[in-house]
Amino acid sequence: DAGVTQSPTHLIKTRGQHVTLRCSPISGHKSVSWYQQVLGQGPQFIFQYYEKEERGRGNFPDRFSARQFPNYSSELNVNALLLGDSALYLCASSLGAGSYEQYFGPGTRLTVT
Amino acid sequence: QQQVKQSPQSLIVQKGGISIINCAYENTAFDYFPWYQQFPGKGPALLIAIRPDVSEKKEGRFTISFNKSAKQFSLHIMDSQPGDSATYFCAAKDSGTYKYIFGTGTRLKVLA
Repeated sequence: DAGVTQSPTHLIKTRGQHVTLRCSPISGHKSVSWYQQVLGQGPQFIFQYYEKEERGRGNFPDRFSARQFPNYSSELNVNALLLGDSALYLCASSLGAGSYEQYFGPGTRLTVT
Repeated sequence: QQQVKQSPQSLIVQKGGISIINCAYENTAFDYFPWYQQFPGKGPALLIAIRPDVSEKKEGRFTISFNKSAKQFSLHIMDSQPGDSATYFCAAKDSGTYKYIFGTGTRLKVLA
């Protein structure tokens, strides 16, 4: 079975630009969460979506937004990129509905110059 | 306070030895405590997890010990191998949500 997939693998953007990151969860999983991992630190929670609705939001500015599609895949959008947005963006999927195991994808490495 | 404090920051263990990583939390509303292993350039991989109504859980060479009254939990890696060299993160899930708070990570190196 395929695990969580994310695209693109790497991305280089300029300050002020916009970026869209994509995630496909494990087949049958209905919950997707997004995390930001700065080098040398643990992942920081950004959003959680379940059944296409936002169910949780971390302490990130409104420049960050996300959505989940009917097939449970998800997009993370970041507007007006700052140098500090450079990080590994991780998507995690879980079954939802009381199942807590969360499985991460390989991440998208975003570099803002 | 939604923090998970992890120690040590780095750890060097001889092959065959026991690796022990500790985490402490303050928020009593956490209801699920997983450990993740991360290799460079990869996403974290779920190793083992425990719920607060259990004091210990063992899966192969990996054991979680959980002390609810002290608000502490630890990962023990028995018979550590060079292939275990990675960064390990503890995490805690906020009750009623899928928000996970991660520790700062422990970089483990197992010497051959």
